[in-house]
Amino acid sequence: GQQLNQSPQSMFIQEGEDVSMNCTSSSIFNTWLWYKQDPGEGPVLLIALYKAGELTSNGRLTAQFGITRKDSFLNISASIPSDVGIYFCAGQNYNQGGKLIFGQGTELSVKP
Amino acid sequence: DAGVTQSPTHLIKTRGQHVTLRCSPISGHKSVSWYQQVLGQGPQFIFQYYEKEERGRGNFPDRFSARQFPNYSSELNVNALLLGDSALYLCASTPRDRGPEAFFGQGTRLTVV
Repeated sequence: GQQLNQSPQSMFIQEGEDVSMNCTSSSIFNTWLWYKQDPGEGPVLLIALYKAGELTSNGRLTAQFGITRKDSFLNISASIPSDVGIYFCAGQNYNQGGKLIFGQGTELSVKP
Repeated sequence: DAGVTQSPTHLIKTRGQHVTLRCSPISGHKSVSWYQQVLGQGPQFIFQYYEKEERGRGNFPDRFSARQFPNYSSELNVNALLLGDSALYLCASTPRDRGPEAFFGQGTRLTVV
């Protein structure tokens, strides 16, 4: 099925470091969302972006809606061990109802 | 407030059998969507229902069907199970027809043997 291109696929970082990940698409989206998924759990919504160029923060997390509407970025500052998990981007188009298209995920590992 | 609840949490079925998965959305949410997540991949859209009507269908065979009840809970049915149907099945609820903020349940882990 259709998916977004998310990179990197995995990251191994030291506690306290900053993290950046991104998501690109060949088509535009009206909304970008970022989720975190822990093992055995469902994805948890972190940030939702609604307008091209929008920059939104949620604590140590900051995400941006690319001006081309074909990409989005998520940054995590001063990582901590509980940031470990898989981060997914998701895009949505109004003409496709509530359907979300997900990336393949970025697996984040944090060394204390 | 209760989040999205799914049942059962784990299930083992044999090839060829039928399975029914259940989902209760967040109170006040009228839209329910189903996703399939195989290991190592992002969730794939299966269905969306809003006010008991199907609003969208993903690229899945007709063996997959769903429905939404008057209390907005939902069932996902899969017939003639294949080994490849083994996955985490996620239910998400949104307050509006077109979301977009979807809140997910913990999922049902289906294993087909």
